[in-house]
Amino acid sequence: EPEVTQTPSHQVTQMGQEVILRCVPISNHLYFYWYRQILGQKVEFLVSFYNNEISEKSEIFDDQFSVERPDGSNFTLKIRSTKLEDSAMYFCASTPLSGRVTDTQYFGPGTRLTVL
Amino acid sequence: AQKITQTQPGMFVQEKEAVTLDCTYDTSDQSYGLFWYKQPSSGEMIFLIYQGSYDEQNATEGRYSLNFQKARKSANLVISASQLGDSAMYFCAMREGGYSSASKIIFGSGTRLSIRP
Repeated sequence: EPEVTQTPSHQVTQMGQEVILRCVPISNHLYFYWYRQILGQKVEFLVSFYNNEISEKSEIFDDQFSVERPDGSNFTLKIRSTKLEDSAMYFCASTPLSGRVTDTQYFGPGTRLTVL
Repeated sequence: AQKITQTQPGMFVQEKEAVTLDCTYDTSDQSYGLFWYKQPSSGEMIFLIYQGSYDEQNATEGRYSLNFQKARKSANLVISASQLGDSAMYFCAMREGGYSSASKIIFGSGTRLSIRP
């Protein structure tokens, strides 16, 4: 069964460094998302992306964050200058928008980002 | 305003018993979708079940069923015949907009379910 994949599974970085988190959404899906989950807290929406543009972003998604679909398969989240509070699990998700009632967002396994 | 409320931070259930995880939601939209996700200790988010606001019947997927009470704005997850592998964090979530909406999903704070052998 197709699934969303994410790399790396765990990233450790120094404060102030740039990180790029990578996702490969399910191939026929059209909308892509990033969410994050700080340890022990709820999952929070960051950004949605469709047709090579940001559709919606949250207050968390400030100028330090950017997203890109550099080719036909990858979807990336870049954090330009990481802060300690960026330490979290980052989930990529995608949805097909096929028009069926079962359209849902399928999540990848997550990338655990640790900022030291 | 909190849109998804899960009032049970943790629950313990004996193996093979049924368990109900509570979820209430708040929205002014007529069209919305409700989801339950399971997050085991490994961290991934596993989709379990979906209920659309216009669905007349409660959704079922194997041992999972969703007790949807629209007037009360509740969407409780029922797990029948619980298994040790059901021990995990469970999140209730909502997406506003119609069936094909690409809107973001809003999550509750989760319920940690522990199954006792």
